[in-house]
Amino acid sequence: DAKTTQPTSMDCAEGRAANLPCNHSTISGNEYVYWYRQIHSQGPQYIIHGLKNNETNEMASLIITEDRKSSTLILPHATLRDTAVYYCIVTGTASKLTFGTGTRLQVTL
Amino acid sequence: EAQVTQNPRYLITVTGKKLTVTCSQNMNHEYMSWYRQDPGLGLRQIYYSMNVEVTDKGDVPEGYKVSRKEKRNFPLILESPSPNQTSLYFCASSLRPPYSYNEQFFGPGTRLTVL
Repeated sequence: DAKTTQPTSMDCAEGRAANLPCNHSTISGNEYVYWYRQIHSQGPQYIIHGLKNNETNEMASLIITEDRKSSTLILPHATLRDTAVYYCIVTGTASKLTFGTGTRLQVTL
Repeated sequence: EAQVTQNPRYLITVTGKKLTVTCSQNMNHEYMSWYRQDPGLGLRQIYYSMNVEVTDKGDVPEGYKVSRKEKRNFPLILESPSPNQTSLYFCASSLRPPYSYNEQFFGPGTRLTVL
C-alpha cells in the first residue's frame, strides 16, 4: 500500500473549516484513500473514503486531486469535539489498515 | 446498536499470568482484527481473521494467540504476558477485508498493564 505524509499538527478555530492535507504520491490505480480519526485514546472512527471523485458525507468532504497524488479532508465547521488525531490511509490489496502518525488537529475557541 | 465490544476495558496483571481479552461484534462481519497502540509506534496489527476458523498473523503476532470459532467473537489470548505487552489494544471488524473498500469499526480499547 502507498505511503502517506501528513503534517504533524494543525490548529483550527471553532466554526471555521478545517482542511487537513495528505500526500500519497505513490498511490496506484486501485488504491482508495481513507480517513479515520481517533479522539484521545478511543477507538479510531471511520470518516470517509474515496477513489478519485470528491466525496461528501455528513461528517466531512474529501477532495482528491486529479492525479490522485494528494487529498484534503475538509471538516466544514469544526467544533471542539473534532479535536483528534486524523489518519490518512491508502489501501488496496492489504489485509490491514496501516496507520501512520496522523495529524493532531486542535480546535480552539 | 451496531458495535464492537471489548472486555475488560482496563487490566493490570503480572508477568506470566495467562489472560484473554474478549472482542465481540453484532454486525455479522466476516473480517476481524486486533491492533495494539504504543506511543511513537502508532497502531500495529497483531492478528486478523477473514472468517470463522481463518486467522493469520499481522505485523506483531509474537506472544499472542487468537481464535475464531464463531463469527461474532475474536478473543486475544496472552499465554504468558510480559511487560513489553503493556499497551492499548483495539479490536476491529468490517463486513469484508480492508482491500474490499469498506469501513472498519473499532472497539473502545483495552488498556493492559503487565507488571
